[in-house]
Amino acid sequence: DAGVTQSPTHLIKTRGQHVTLRCSPISGHKSVSWYQQVLGQGPQFIFQYYEKEERGRGNFPDRFSARQFPNYSSELNVNALLLGDSALYLCASSLFYSQETQYFGPGTRLLVL
Amino acid sequence: AQRVTQPEKLLSVFKGAPVELKCNYSYSGSPELFWYVQYSRQRLQLLLRHISRESIKGFTADLNKGETSFHLKKPFAQEEDSAMYYCALGTGGFKTIFGAGTRLFVKA
Repeated sequence: DAGVTQSPTHLIKTRGQHVTLRCSPISGHKSVSWYQQVLGQGPQFIFQYYEKEERGRGNFPDRFSARQFPNYSSELNVNALLLGDSALYLCASSLFYSQETQYFGPGTRLLVL
Repeated sequence: AQRVTQPEKLLSVFKGAPVELKCNYSYSGSPELFWYVQYSRQRLQLLLRHISRESIKGFTADLNKGETSFHLKKPFAQEEDSAMYYCALGTGGFKTIFGAGTRLFVKA
């Protein structure tokens, strides 16, 4: 198993555009969480999905949305991009929604110009 | 408020010296605490969690509910311990709050 995979690895967008980031969890893992990591800070929780339902949401505006598919992969969507959305977006998978060990992907680095 | 505080951004020690990375949390419920580590050019990965009470790579951490702390300790630091360390708080199963991280630099 390659572990958690994310695509793309890097992305450049301009203000106002929309972006979709993708994540494939470890085989057998049913929970996916998304984090935003700004330079110099720790990961900030955005969403957790388990069995295709949103189970937790952090303090992010409605421009951020996500979904989980039947194969447990997930997408994070961000609309109306702002300069402040520039960050590393991390995906993590775990077996269940309970507080278990999370396995992180390499991240997608988003730059908004 | 739910919060994790790592007061040191950078900690520099000599090889063989003891190491303590501090972590304090704020949470009214029953906390689940973790330490994650990121080595150079690698992914963020779990180092240890309080519920398992394991010692990983010589590191230990004890949950002190009275002081709301979960400090990470190692008696003798090694050069390969140089990395970014994040303390994380699990809140009821759906949300994990990370601290800002401490960069540990172990000098030869």
